Amino acid sequence: GAVVSQHPSRVICKSGTSVKIECRSLDFQATTMFWYRQFPKQSLMLMATSNEGSKATYEQGVEKDKFLINHASLTLSTLTVTSAHPEDSSFYICSALRTGLSGYTFGSGTRLTVV
Amino acid sequence: AQKVTQAQTEISVVEKEDVTLDCVYETRDTTYYLFWYKQPPSGELVFLIRRNSFDEQNEISGRYSWNFQKSTSSFNFTITASQVVDSAVYFCALKLTGGGNKLTFGTGTQLKVEL
Repeated sequence: GAVVSQHPSRVICKSGTSVKIECRSLDFQATTMFWYRQFPKQSLMLMATSNEGSKATYEQGVEKDKFLINHASLTLSTLTVTSAHPEDSSFYICSALRTGLSGYTFGSGTRLTVV
Repeated sequence: AQKVTQAQTEISVVEKEDVTLDCVYETRDTTYYLFWYKQPPSGELVFLIRRNSFDEQNEISGRYSWNFQKSTSSFNFTITASQVVDSAVYFCALKLTGGGNKLTFGTGTQLKVEL
């Protein structure tokens, strides 16, 4: 149990376009989800905390107008990278908070390349 | 503010060797949780262990063991008789009980196990 599905796993888009990444909790309800960004050979940096039915809480330095987060249901959160630029190329990972020993279940990540 | 330090950026061992990954954390809180995750090349984070600050018992799970020393703020991870499949990046993380459920990750240790 406790599976989080993240799609797409890889996406290449042109500079100036927008990309949507989905994060779904398949077998549990997740009132809270988190979005991370990871540069090559670096740690996971929290971008925002997404709560179902309310506005996301962004970490300092993260542009909320560029990284749109929507958590419209208890099983789905989306991250939209708007007007993407090459510097937005990165690995994006979501996680969902649930009760239990592990506490967090992570998606498999999305590798975004902006050309 | 809390902080997690993984001083070892990269470790290379030969299969069957034992290896210890270090994790030192900083927090002023007395109640917190510590985690270890494995990130294989595929990118997904795999949960390994969660330990709360009141439980200083060491834990063993198969070839994995963890040494929690509150006096030195360390939560080290040892793999006994390492295998090639253990090759991955390992992250130590800290969660404060009152921190909005946010995880603070260390910078990770890249473990390479060679034949």
